[in-house]
Amino acid sequence: DTEVTQTPKHLVMGMTNKKSLKCEQHMGHRAMYWYKQKAKKPPELMFVYSYEKLSINESVPSRFSPECPNSSLLNLHLHALQPEDSALYLCASSQVKPSGILFGPGTRLTVL
Amino acid sequence: AQSVSQHNHHVILSEAASLELGCNYSYGGTVNLFWYVQYPGQHLQLLLKYFSGDPLVKGIKGFEAEFIKSKFSFNLRKPSVQWSDTAEYFCACSGTYKYIFGTGTRLKVLA
Repeated sequence: DTEVTQTPKHLVMGMTNKKSLKCEQHMGHRAMYWYKQKAKKPPELMFVYSYEKLSINESVPSRFSPECPNSSLLNLHLHALQPEDSALYLCASSQVKPSGILFGPGTRLTVL
Repeated sequence: AQSVSQHNHHVILSEAASLELGCNYSYGGTVNLFWYVQYPGQHLQLLLKYFSGDPLVKGIKGFEAEFIKSKFSFNLRKPSVQWSDTAEYFCACSGTYKYIFGTGTRLKVLA
């Protein structure tokens, strides 16, 4: 198993909803990432988990709440989002030593 | 601060033309450098990576990149592009976990 999977592929939510994005990998990678990508823009780092502990938070608003339940799973809990939060949310994973990160296909989020 | 800049935002080439995409980085420590590609409708894929050693690295699909430390550059090259190389190309640098991406270059190859 050499891929990062993400569910759902598409998500539409209202500003008062609570939803979660899920990410899974079974490559034994101990670093996992959330990135946000707007159309025609580069991926922007949001969070990094290393050995299931949050190691980087790029000053992301608290309406985004990450969680790493175990070494294979990464969640992103969403609450009270704004329309400008609509984007492609990418999960990625890597070995702890620098090796390049492997991206999942992303969840396309639309906030109404 | 860590940053990556890509000079060419849009490049249009004919098939068989040679390609060079510029990338410059700013990083205070030991840097690791990458090129990623995003084909239309697909997710980001790693093209090649540099950590240390030979400054000329070869990646998939005939791409290569050269690390020039004195110029803080990591330019991507391909001797002869194909229509299927139409995609967006991102340069990235990292220390340990913080992978920062450049703004990307949209390459269109005309058949």
